[in-house]
Amino acid sequence: AQSVTQLDSQVPVFEEAPVELRCNYSSSVSVYLFWYVQYPNQGLQLLLKYLSGSTLVESINGFEAEFNKSQTSFHLRKPSVHISDTAEYFCAVTRNAGGTSYGKLTFGQGTILTVHP
Amino acid sequence: GAGVSQSPSNKVTEKGKDVELRCDPISGHTALYWYRQSLGQGLEFLIYFQGNSAPDKSGLPSDRFSAERTGGSVSTLTIQRTQQEDSAVYLCASSLAQLAGGNEQYFGPGTRLTVT
Repeated sequence: AQSVTQLDSQVPVFEEAPVELRCNYSSSVSVYLFWYVQYPNQGLQLLLKYLSGSTLVESINGFEAEFNKSQTSFHLRKPSVHISDTAEYFCAVTRNAGGTSYGKLTFGQGTILTVHP
Repeated sequence: GAGVSQSPSNKVTEKGKDVELRCDPISGHTALYWYRQSLGQGLEFLIYFQGNSAPDKSGLPSDRFSAERTGGSVSTLTIQRTQQEDSAVYLCASSLAQLAGGNEQYFGPGTRLTVT
């Protein structure tokens, strides 16, 4: 089984400050890693994902995450946040196990990022 | 194009009643998932469909919960004899066929279920 721990339930920051949302996972098999975002009153949207290759992945709106296998982490970072980044962020994993994976997502508890002016 | 749609958006029901929640996936998506989002438990997987079959039902919390999918498209999640602990937002997601687990899942807006 897999598990995901998001170390901070809430992260308040000021606009234009850098931010890091922490995510650690546990799994006995290889995994794929995802960050989903839920803006206020909206559904979950994929922000970025790591499947293979370069361990640093980026989103179109300036977020990046780095897969660290030795530390079993997939922290999300942005060098300068905007008010519009206020949302809840979920880290998730799924088994990388070929035809039996099914893609079932195991989520962390979520981190509420609040960007203040 | 149209995204994943769910209905109703809100449902208030009395304890002990049965409810049906509907999900319309993105056209062409053969994989469909149900998840539940609640304050105490966070986001939990319920069931996975590939086409009309459900190879993984491991997240259904009790035998009061069932789901079906017809025509490889619409899915219905049924909760019988609802209990207060069933109150949650029920999310549906769809994706292209999961050959190895890495395909993006597209989520619907959810159905907020309140059991009084």
